[in-house]
Amino acid sequence: EPEVTQTPSHQVTQMGQEVILRCVPISNHLYFYWYRQILGQKVEFLVSFYNNEISEKSEIFDDQFSVERPDGSNFTLKIRSTKLEDSAMYFCASRWGTGVTQYFGPGTRLTVL
Amino acid sequence: DQQVKQNSPSLSVQEGRISILNCDYTNSMFDYFLWYKKYPAEGPTFLISISSIKDKNEDGRFTVFLNKSAKHLSLHIVPSQPGDSAVYFCAASALQISSGSARQLTFGSGTQLTVLP
Repeated sequence: EPEVTQTPSHQVTQMGQEVILRCVPISNHLYFYWYRQILGQKVEFLVSFYNNEISEKSEIFDDQFSVERPDGSNFTLKIRSTKLEDSAMYFCASRWGTGVTQYFGPGTRLTVL
Repeated sequence: DQQVKQNSPSLSVQEGRISILNCDYTNSMFDYFLWYKKYPAEGPTFLISISSIKDKNEDGRFTVFLNKSAKHLSLHIVPSQPGDSAVYFCAASALQISSGSARQLTFGSGTQLTVLP
């Protein structure tokens, strides 16, 4: 069964460093998403991406964040200058054009020291 | 932001009995509701969904009920099995024309279900 994959599973970085989280969505899916879950809190929407552009973003997704689909399979989330409060699980998700169901990857645990 | 609420952080049931997980929402624009199951160190796994034009959807042991007037939905698991022990998230989606049907999901805080053998 097709699944969303994410790398790395765990990323440790120093405050102020740039990180890139990678995702391979399910092929033939058209919508791509990033969510995050800070420990003990809800899963929160960050950004959605469709047709090679951001279609919606939350207040969390400020200028420090960017997304890219550099080729036909990868979808990346970049944080330019990490802060301590960026420490969280980051989940990538994708969905087909019709329907609402989003399929999630296993997540990347980001730890900012 | 409390648009989707799961008021019970935990629930314990005996194997073979019914598990009922509840979810309330406040945003009338939500038109799709989904339940996800999550094990530690894994991503949310889709279980079942329901459109706002329905009041019930069933898939095997899982049934979701929607009461639009009360802005309440529930997930029933019958019979419960020890492998069902996980955190269950309720999520909701609204069609927003401005975002080209991006359909972001708004999640509840989750309910930890423990099924005792």
